[in-house]
Amino acid sequence: EVQLVESGGGLVQPGGSLRLSCAASEFTVSSNYMSWVRQAPGKGLEWVSVIYSGGSTYYADSVKGRFTISRDKSKNTLYLQMNSLRAEDTAMYYCARDLVYDSRGYHDYWGQGSLVTVSS
Amino acid sequence: IQLTQSPSFLSASVGDRVTITCRASQGISSYLAWYQQKPGKAPKLLIYAASTLQSGVPSRFSGSGSGTQFTLTISSLQPEDFATYYCQQLKTYPLTFGGGTKVEIK
Repeated sequence: EVQLVESGGGLVQPGGSLRLSCAASEFTVSSNYMSWVRQAPGKGLEWVSVIYSGGSTYYADSVKGRFTISRDKSKNTLYLQMNSLRAEDTAMYYCARDLVYDSRGYHDYWGQGSLVTVSS
Repeated sequence: IQLTQSPSFLSASVGDRVTITCRASQGISSYLAWYQQKPGKAPKLLIYAASTLQSGVPSRFSGSGSGTQFTLTISSLQPEDFATYYCQQLKTYPLTFGGGTKVEIK
């Protein structure tokens, strides 16, 4: 069964850094499009970033230049490095495997989420 | 690209036919998905490419539309369908979600 397990969330001060991990089972991360989506407390969904199987990456304007998506083939794990964190980055962060159809990645499997809180 | 969902809140009874609308600020062809999210849970993909039912999703869910106007229809609302529904456009980066439609029990 496909499974995604996030880790690495927690409380961090404004300006700090955090790295989220998303360990995958029963499929190969590097052969798939993989995404991060976040949800601030009580708010809607916000797409954050995607990495293609070929390695291309894209980011939301709100995180561009501060966040970096990457993967480790040997660990079959997706990462989100988050730097210069702000209060508005406080959210539950979900990783997702994408179902690719007509060159678009639809998020068909999701992790349980990892909570990031940015506060002093 | 901005997505506007309507209504933002919907009160309905079991067995009702429910329709949720998603309007895009510019044409997105059929690059649209619908997700269902229950409290404390991750979203679940229901529909992709505007009208293709994701594997395992009940056939009472259907999607239609192209260009700028899309709909998600639940033909006969079941108790487990009470949740929040989001549309998402995949035409252009950055990908964007609609604001959500919360479906509650009348």
